[in-house]
Amino acid sequence: KQEVTQIPAALSVPEGENLVLNCSFTDSAIYNLQWFRQDPGKGLTSLLLIQSSQREQTSGRLNASLDKSSGRSTLYIAASQPGDSATYLCAVFGNQFYFGTGTSLTVIP
Amino acid sequence: EAQVTQNPRYLITVTGKKLTVTCSQNMNHEYMSWYRQDPGLGLRQIYYSMNVEVTDKGDVPEGYKVSRKEKRNFPLILESPSPNQTSLYFCASRTVVDTEAFFGQGTRLTVV
Repeated sequence: KQEVTQIPAALSVPEGENLVLNCSFTDSAIYNLQWFRQDPGKGLTSLLLIQSSQREQTSGRLNASLDKSSGRSTLYIAASQPGDSATYLCAVFGNQFYFGTGTSLTVIP
Repeated sequence: EAQVTQNPRYLITVTGKKLTVTCSQNMNHEYMSWYRQDPGLGLRQIYYSMNVEVTDKGDVPEGYKVSRKEKRNFPLILESPSPNQTSLYFCASRTVVDTEAFFGQGTRLTVV
């Protein structure tokens, strides 16, 4: 069974800092990976999708990479802002979805 | 507007009283799925459906039923809810090709 781990569980940074969130998974066969953000009490907002044949995706200040051989993905956030404060979730999927437990990010003004 | 709609958003019910949480999507997606989110356990998949009349168990299907009679709807049924089913529930959809998943806003269920 696929296991997905996100480290750290919580992170607090000053505004403007660049940061990296980590996601690791145990089964690297043919899986796609999607990063989400979740605000308290709200649903999941899709940030980036990396399909199994891809290695990287970028959207604005966000860049996500996927290394299937090592079972790892990173989400890079450039020039962090207080509005980036949220919980960030990664999910690995084929037919089934497997989620990490998330990294709670606080960006301090 | 492309969206996944869940109803109700909040529900408090008593043990044993059957309930249904509805999920509807307007994107003509083949794939739909249900999740529950619990503190410390994250999101776990309950059931998923690859298309009409095709459903499969996820990681935590016990105590839940689903049906997929139409492409746009995927209701979650709790025949006899118990307090351990108190949770935040999410529905999602995507195409069967490996595209991004879209999530509903969630249903907070409390079973007393």
